[in-house]
Amino acid sequence: NAGVTQTPKFQVLKTGQSMTLQCAQDMNHEYMSWYRQDPGMGLRLIHYSVGAGITDQGEVPNGYNVSRSTTEDFPLRLLSAAPSQTSVYFCASNSGVNTGELFFGEGSRLTVL
Amino acid sequence: AQSVTQPDIHITVSEGASLELRCNYSYGATPYLFWYVQSPGQGLQLLLKYFSGDTLVQGIKGFEAEFKRSQSSFNLRKPSVHWSDAAEYFCALSNFGNEKLTFGTGTRLTIIP
Repeated sequence: NAGVTQTPKFQVLKTGQSMTLQCAQDMNHEYMSWYRQDPGMGLRLIHYSVGAGITDQGEVPNGYNVSRSTTEDFPLRLLSAAPSQTSVYFCASNSGVNTGELFFGEGSRLTVL
Repeated sequence: AQSVTQPDIHITVSEGASLELRCNYSYGATPYLFWYVQSPGQGLQLLLKYFSGDTLVQGIKGFEAEFKRSQSSFNLRKPSVHWSDAAEYFCALSNFGNEKLTFGTGTRLTIIP
């Protein structure tokens, strides 16, 4: 049972490059979300989706795009990476029945030079 | 706006000693409250949650937390810590138990022999 799988685990980019962080879950969860974790700031919500075809912005959406074409996948795109986007990114999913329990992936550490 | 404050950035306790991690929240109504734990290099795992009812909630790994409305607090406790409890702990809240969680900045717990 894989749960939430994120790839890649580590990535180094140069300023201005683009990339996609992949997230897949095999629990048939409707709700998926992306958080970034920075020292001293906890986790902050970037974007979330309540189902295929539906996405919305979280607390810190600037510089990131998402789409949700299937229930399983929720990729996060950085169109033009900036050093301020150096962070650890977590994808999470939930069954969407107001349990509040998020299931997290192991994280993707991104460094932008 | 809702917020979560964890006043202690880092706590060190001896193995076998008791533990209390503090969490204060700001929210206009009764929040849904959570404690998550993050082991090094891992994603977050739910320890326990409070939605309503009994203000003392039990979680996994021997942890408990008490909701105190008058103090806007949801402190995490454990009677006797084990070396394996060394991790970072996050308090979080949500609105009506939805999946958009607001996290505190975390408390890093170190266990000494």
